[in-house]
Amino acid sequence: DVVMTQSPLSLPVTLGQPASISCRSSQSLVNSDGNTYLNWFQQRPGQSPRRLIYKVSNRDSGVPDRFSGSGSGTDFTLKISRVEAEDVGVYYCMQGTHWPPGTFGQGTKVEIK
Amino acid sequence: EVQLVESGGGLVQPGGSLRLSCSASGFTFNKYIMNWVRQAPGKGLEYVSAISSDGGSTYYADSVKGRFTISRDNSKNTVSLQMSSLRAEDTAVYYCVAYYDYWGQGTLVTVSS
Repeated sequence: DVVMTQSPLSLPVTLGQPASISCRSSQSLVNSDGNTYLNWFQQRPGQSPRRLIYKVSNRDSGVPDRFSGSGSGTDFTLKISRVEAEDVGVYYCMQGTHWPPGTFGQGTKVEIK
Repeated sequence: EVQLVESGGGLVQPGGSLRLSCSASGFTFNKYIMNWVRQAPGKGLEYVSAISSDGGSTYYADSVKGRFTISRDNSKNTVSLQMSSLRAEDTAVYYCVAYYDYWGQGTLVTVSS
């Protein structure tokens, strides 16, 4: 199975400041169809996960534009341009290229300093 | 509005069985691969099982292979997970997930004597 490695695992941030989470896969996530199936999920405290980003950089409906995804091959990044209080939670990357199974990163906990 | 509603969780003794169900609405159910993803208390997300849109193909994580069975009824927009020979390490919130687009609220399974 593909291994997804996130860093950092804990990210204290100041309100209004940017934040960045890295995700690295053990093998390329470029699919034979040319797409790269790398997703980012947000899980707020006490809630189910929800997808923020699909195929590396596409925001889901209703996701604020302060969230952006980038990367290629094996290295990917989720950026929050200006952290707000509602962004507190755990963020997971997940690959769907080498499916099944989809594999998740360990999660990055974002908290306010 | 998309809804995924899980049911069937609860407390069960080691070695026991439980059947989880997920009722879907608000999207074209028979077009979606359906997944079960679990989250042990305080831990990350773990992919458990998947079933193709027509039910013809299934996948299981090694940790549940031979003990869990996934099925779906496209006429009723439901997907189920039959769990047997349950172990303490199966204790988790189980999420029903439509591809990776939509997530249910989860149902808690506790395996304990």
